[in-house]
Amino acid sequence: DAKTTQPNSMESNEEEPVHLPCNHSTISGTDYIHWYRQLPSQGPEYVIHGLTSNVNNRMASLAIAEDRKSSTLILHRATLRDAAVYYCILRDTTDSWGKLQFGAGTQVVVTP
Amino acid sequence: DTAVSQTPKYLVTQMGNDKSIKCEQNLGHDTMYWYKQDSKKFLKIMFSYNNKELIINETVPNRFSPKSPDKAHLNLHINSLELGDSAVYFCASSQDQSTGGYNSPLHFGNGTRLTVT
Repeated sequence: DAKTTQPNSMESNEEEPVHLPCNHSTISGTDYIHWYRQLPSQGPEYVIHGLTSNVNNRMASLAIAEDRKSSTLILHRATLRDAAVYYCILRDTTDSWGKLQFGAGTQVVVTP
Repeated sequence: DTAVSQTPKYLVTQMGNDKSIKCEQNLGHDTMYWYKQDSKKFLKIMFSYNNKELIINETVPNRFSPKSPDKAHLNLHINSLELGDSAVYFCASSQDQSTGGYNSPLHFGNGTRLTVT
């Protein structure tokens, strides 16, 4: 399975944007890029996913490099509620059951 | 109206005991999963069921036996509990990849914290 690399932690001030990088240099053409986050004492929560084009939803934006070897999750205005571990995951669409393989993720700390 | 619910939330037991964790989803999904999150916070898939059939078994010891009585339930039974089984266990569900698309997101419960003493 293709792997992802993320920084261990990032800090941000409240109401400022947060850019979370993810490297996936061995990504294959059938891999989608998924992001999940895990708030303290909760299960992981889906954030966003994409293949080649940038994607936006109500939670975040996903910017994907042209060569697809890296991507960035953008939280436009961080709130205290966004403090969580963010996971960047490659999901192989040739795997019929689409299992998610989680890495260590990035711990996001938001300060008031 | 919780989408994926697990019971119990906390489970403390002694080595050698047998225990079960229950999971139910009301999202109408076809596929359910069990994940284990250890003390280092790594989340690893254990099992997946699709329409009550086992489809993923990630070399988990056979002391762990999942059971799916119907599409909305996936229970996890653990025999002869060991200290190393202490972890948080998460249940999740998703739409079948063939019907909901290959990128159907997983919906997770809030976990069951198992402590074996």
